[in-house]
Amino acid sequence: KQEVTQIPAALSVPEGENLVLNCSFTDSAIYNLQWFRQDPGKGLTSLLLIQSSQREQTSGRLNASLDKSSGRSTLYIAASQPGDSATYLCAVRLRGPGGTSYGKLTFGQGTILTVHP
Amino acid sequence: KAGVTQTPRYLIKTRGQQVTLSCSPISGHRSVSWYQQTPGQGLQFLFEYFSETQRNKGNFPGRFSGRQFSNSRSEMNVSTLELGDSALYLCASSLEGGLFTDTQYFGPGTRLTVL
Repeated sequence: KQEVTQIPAALSVPEGENLVLNCSFTDSAIYNLQWFRQDPGKGLTSLLLIQSSQREQTSGRLNASLDKSSGRSTLYIAASQPGDSATYLCAVRLRGPGGTSYGKLTFGQGTILTVHP
Repeated sequence: KAGVTQTPRYLIKTRGQQVTLSCSPISGHRSVSWYQQTPGQGLQFLFEYFSETQRNKGNFPGRFSGRQFSNSRSEMNVSTLELGDSALYLCASSLEGGLFTDTQYFGPGTRLTVL
């Protein structure tokens, strides 16, 4: 059974700091991995998707890496801002009998990030 | 493009009742997935629909069901509500649901409270 773990559970940093969020998964037969952010009481916003054949993806101040062999992904946030405060979730999609596990993402518990001015 | 929309946004029901939640995917997306989010269990996959067919299902009791219409809109139904069904129900859509590049886009959710 695929398990996804995110460390740390919570992180508080001053504005401007660079930070790294960690995600580990137990089953390396993943199809892809997605990072999301969730603001309190809201839905999820997709940040980055990394296909299983890729090593990293970048979008603005965000960079996500993937190491399938070690079962790890990291989300790097550069020059953090108070608006980055949210819960960050990573989710993996496994391979299935038909090639992919249709629609099913397995989520970690999230990292609650607070960036204070 | 308009994002994923879910209605209603909030619901209050009592134990034993049933409820229907609705989801409209992003235009052109044919795959719709449903998730339950609770503080204790986090986000858990309920089921996925594509072309009006359920292709994948999570570990939830039969009280949870869904369907998809020809325009890709989807509904989920929970019968005989229990207190533990109180949660944020999230719908996500993607182009095909099975591509390497398929990004899932989530709606704002329906907050269900069971009294």
